[in-house]
Parts: sequence; structure tokens; C-alpha cells
Amino acid sequence: DAGITQSPRHKVTETGTPVTLRCHQTENHRYMYWYRQDPGHGLRLIHYSYGVKDTDKGEVSDGYSVSRSKTEDFLLTLESATSSQTSVYFCAISEWTGINYGYTFGSGTRLTVV
Amino acid sequence: SQQGEEDPQALSIQEGENATMNCSYKTSINNLQWYRQNSGRGLVHLILIRSNEREKHSGRLRVTLDTSKKSSSLLITASRAADTASYFCALRGSNYKLTFGKGTLLTVNP
Repeated sequence: DAGITQSPRHKVTETGTPVTLRCHQTENHRYMYWYRQDPGHGLRLIHYSYGVKDTDKGEVSDGYSVSRSKTEDFLLTLESATSSQTSVYFCAISEWTGINYGYTFGSGTRLTVV
Repeated sequence: SQQGEEDPQALSIQEGENATMNCSYKTSINNLQWYRQNSGRGLVHLILIRSNEREKHSGRLRVTLDTSKKSSSLLITASRAADTASYFCALRGSNYKLTFGKGTLLTVNP
């Protein structure tokens, strides 16, 4: 496995506060992703990164920003948390298997905005 | 949108039976992947099928891909109670994005 960890695992925060979630990988993979998972929507891509300081938007990027200053860390920031951002957030990395790019997911961060 | 759409949304079967889930999509793809998610857990990669492949096997899993119909199916043979989970198809296009469908909830009754 790629050694991918997310922190925190659970967080409760108040509306209007900034929140940063961290995704850490140990094996120098180039591609990293942030998804959110909500009932009835499956997983939706928020942002992704294809290298240090190289990021791009996914389908639900409004209200979120990301940063990747080091290969191993991909940070997701909710600039001013809203109740609609209550969700489970998953980080993923993409690694070349020799044939295709395989994807490995972290265990998730459960965020509640009250 | 590149999102796949799984069918059925929910499936309930008895242990030992086969389970079939389908995924349809609308755009061209580089590959299609299937994932499993147990309740409250992360996603686990099951199998990847490339756009130039028609069928792949992995243990009790069989995946087919019909690019002319833009559809894929996942067959789990001789299902077990431990197969109870949500199953997602995910599409990778020409970029490095991986987009998911909403999933099929499979319940295998002992």
C-alpha cells in the first residue's frame, strides 16, 4: 500500500470557521486527490494535484482550496465552513502499477459543521 | 459529466447466489474501475479494466466492458455475507481524474 493517512479522522467545527484537512503519503506519488462523499451523491472530486504546487479543480471545488508545497502532503482547506460541507472527505493517491494507474484511498475524515 | 451510473441502486441476495451490478457512462474512457466500500470505511480497489479489454477476472469477480454500449458489469460469484458492501464504478478519462458513480448497495443474506 501507498501509506496514505488522513488527519484528523473526525472533526466538529462551527459555521464560518476555517478548517484544514491533511493528507499525507509516504511513497512520493505524484497524483493526489480530495473527494467528498455524501448520501445519494457517491464520491465527488473536489480538487486534485499532479505535482508540487500543481493543482486543479474538480466538480465541487467552490468553497474549498488546496495546497501542495511538498510531495507528501496535500492539504484541503474550507475557507469558511458551512453546514453543506458536512461530509466524509477522502484523500486518494494514484500510482503507476506498471500497466495502469491504480488508486489507493485513505480512511476518510468525518467533518461536521454545526 | 463523466460520471458513471450504477444499476441497480440496491440488490439483496442469498449467500451462494451470484450478484451482478452494471455501470453505464456517456463519455470515452481510458479505463473503468470497480471499488468496494464497507459501511463506514474507505474504498478498496477491486479491479481495473482498460478500454481495449472486454473481460477480466479476479478470484470470484468478473468484469466485462462494452465500449460500444458504454457499459460495464461486475459479477460476484458464489456470494458471501462478507461481500455485503457498496460497490462503485469509477471512470478515468484522458486526464488523471477518476470520477465515481453513486454506487450499488449489495446485501448478502446468510
